[in-house]
Amino acid sequence: NAGVTQTPKFQVLKTGQSMTLQCAQDMNHEYMSWYRQDPGMGLRLIHYSVGAGITDQGEVPNGYNVSRSTTEDFPLRLLSAAPSQTSVYFCASSYAVRNNEQFFGPGTRLTVL
Amino acid sequence: AQSVTQLDSHVSVSEGTPVLLRCNYSSSYSPSLFWYVQHPNKGLQLLLKYTSAATLVKGINGFEAEFKKSETSFHLTKPSAHMSDAAEYFCVVSDESPTSGTYKYIFGTGTRLKVLA
Repeated sequence: NAGVTQTPKFQVLKTGQSMTLQCAQDMNHEYMSWYRQDPGMGLRLIHYSVGAGITDQGEVPNGYNVSRSTTEDFPLRLLSAAPSQTSVYFCASSYAVRNNEQFFGPGTRLTVL
Repeated sequence: AQSVTQLDSHVSVSEGTPVLLRCNYSSSYSPSLFWYVQHPNKGLQLLLKYTSAATLVKGINGFEAEFKKSETSFHLTKPSAHMSDAAEYFCVVSDESPTSGTYKYIFGTGTRLKVLA
């Protein structure tokens, strides 16, 4: 099993550009989520999904879109990048039971100039 | 609403001395609690989890944590620190929303552990 994979590992964007961060898992997990990590702020939930076709907002959803057309994939779209979106982004997945731990991808380091 | 407070942003210990990383949570219901570790420029790895079974939970690498409902705490301890324990540690609560029936994982802001030789 590859676990949770994320691409790209690094990305530099200019303000106003759009892009999609890819996330895939091969563990048949129903629950997937996106976080951003900023110094001193821990990981903050952007969006999450409890299954294909079902998504919901987390703490910091503004400026991001998600969709979940398959169990395996959960892409995160930045609509119009802003310098405030410079961060490290982590995707995670788990079985859809609240006492199950999440498995994390390696992260994407995004810089917006 | 559920929340997690990690009481120390930085902790320094000498190698071979005990480690205590403090975590308090707020939850309306019966939460699940987790500790994750993140080494520099790495992803997150699960150390241990509490899911309403035994209140003293043992994890990997000699870490353990005790769930104390009366104190709403889930502190992480290790009897003897090793240089390889230097990392950032996150306390996480998972709690079910009474309105939507879904649940979320809420992270604390992290504690950076420094181990001195």
